[in-house]
Amino acid sequence: AQKITQTQPGMFVQEKEAVTLDCTYDTSDQSYGLFWYKQPSSGEMIFLIYQGSYDEQNATEGRYSLNFQKARKSANLVISASQLGDSAMYFCAMREGPGSGNTPLVFGKGTRLSVIA
Amino acid sequence: ETGVTQTPRHLVMGMTNKKSLKCEQHLGHNAMYWYKQSAKKPLELMFVYNFKEQTENNSVPSRFSPECPNSSHLFLHLHTLQPEDSALYLCASSQVPGALNTGELFFGEGSRLTVL
Repeated sequence: AQKITQTQPGMFVQEKEAVTLDCTYDTSDQSYGLFWYKQPSSGEMIFLIYQGSYDEQNATEGRYSLNFQKARKSANLVISASQLGDSAMYFCAMREGPGSGNTPLVFGKGTRLSVIA
Repeated sequence: ETGVTQTPRHLVMGMTNKKSLKCEQHLGHNAMYWYKQSAKKPLELMFVYNFKEQTENNSVPSRFSPECPNSSHLFLHLHTLQPEDSALYLCASSQVPGALNTGELFFGEGSRLTVL
């Protein structure tokens, strides 16, 4: 079964507008971490933001915020004031299990975001 | 210069060739990873090394052979590959997740492999 689901293959947003990229996850663990990465055309995966399952507040990093709804098992990425440079693939990922040990990160299929001038 | 460097960036090889991909991290991390990224598929974890010891081999065919001589270097040796092995191979590093860190991955720019 797919553990990370990103239902939007592609999204368009007007420059300076906000956009929400959807991510739902599937786990029976109580302890897990959720990550978002950006992949520009250059290929490098850039870490954006992290949310722990026990974090009570939504994570924020600059123009990025994570809308974490634990009961719905969703971890949507919100990008405010979109810029042309935000055009890229965006991946949601999850690591299950407690903080110790190195459980691998599992990625979704990604959403391609295109910012329009 | 990025914290994780991969060479070569592009590689074209025949099915009978032997080549290697190299990854070097300058971040002082203690875990390194190989991921495969094919078109329209999620990133697939191939191998994980913690403190130079391989802890994960995600059912990868033996024509892919990893090597981790120290915590800063990771290789992926390739031999008798198939055309379906053409993909972007991404190397990543992290601290092993623990109470004081989330273990987020830092990626290189990838090596784009084409098998003819």
